[in-house]
Amino acid sequence: DVKVTQSSRYLVKRTGEKVFLECVQDMDHENMFWYRQDPGLGLRLIYFSYDVKMKEKGDIPEGYSVSREKKERFSLILESASTNQTSMYLCASSFFVGTGATNEKLFFGSGTQLSVL
Amino acid sequence: AQKITQTQPGMFVQEKEAVTLDCTYDTSDQSYGLFWYKQPSSGEMIFLIYQGSYDEQNATEGRYSLNFQKARKSANLVISASQLGDSAMYFCAMRVEGSNYQLIWGAGTKLIIKP
Repeated sequence: DVKVTQSSRYLVKRTGEKVFLECVQDMDHENMFWYRQDPGLGLRLIYFSYDVKMKEKGDIPEGYSVSREKKERFSLILESASTNQTSMYLCASSFFVGTGATNEKLFFGSGTQLSVL
Repeated sequence: AQKITQTQPGMFVQEKEAVTLDCTYDTSDQSYGLFWYKQPSSGEMIFLIYQGSYDEQNATEGRYSLNFQKARKSANLVISASQLGDSAMYFCAMRVEGSNYQLIWGAGTKLIIKP
């Protein structure tokens, strides 16, 4: 069964802490994504990566950075956590090329609910 | 501006009834893809169905079908014979050509199936 695994389901951090959210996929997907989900706002893309060591900014990259040293792992880093970064964080992956459901559909992890106090 | 609108924040439906979840989209591109995802309370988003803008037939996947009306720019999800396990958040999303694999997401509809 295909899997996207996020390291923590719930996380509580203090303002100013450096926070690492880890995501691992076992499907050999080229694309990986980090989304933020807030009620009433849907999903907003933070960063995505289409290859190892490659990254692209999404809609809301401010306050975040990412790392992709290996194909299967995509990390989201909050350099100095703030209370407005309290949210659900979703990692996803997909194939690289082509259109249509097979190539484009996203596989998601279960999410990390981050609370910054 | 490219946008997805889901006008129903929440819905209650009796078990075994059919459900239609609304989704309208706005894009000037000719090539695009439309997706529906389900998010149960466990948190994991699950792909349900896909419709390409050039697909002439409405997509179907088991109990799910997508009512694609291109002229009206709508892509409603229809769930036939609803089940208690269908209770979840449902999100409509759109990928447009040249968007670098980014999806535009709607705000979601919370569906609750009543026994």
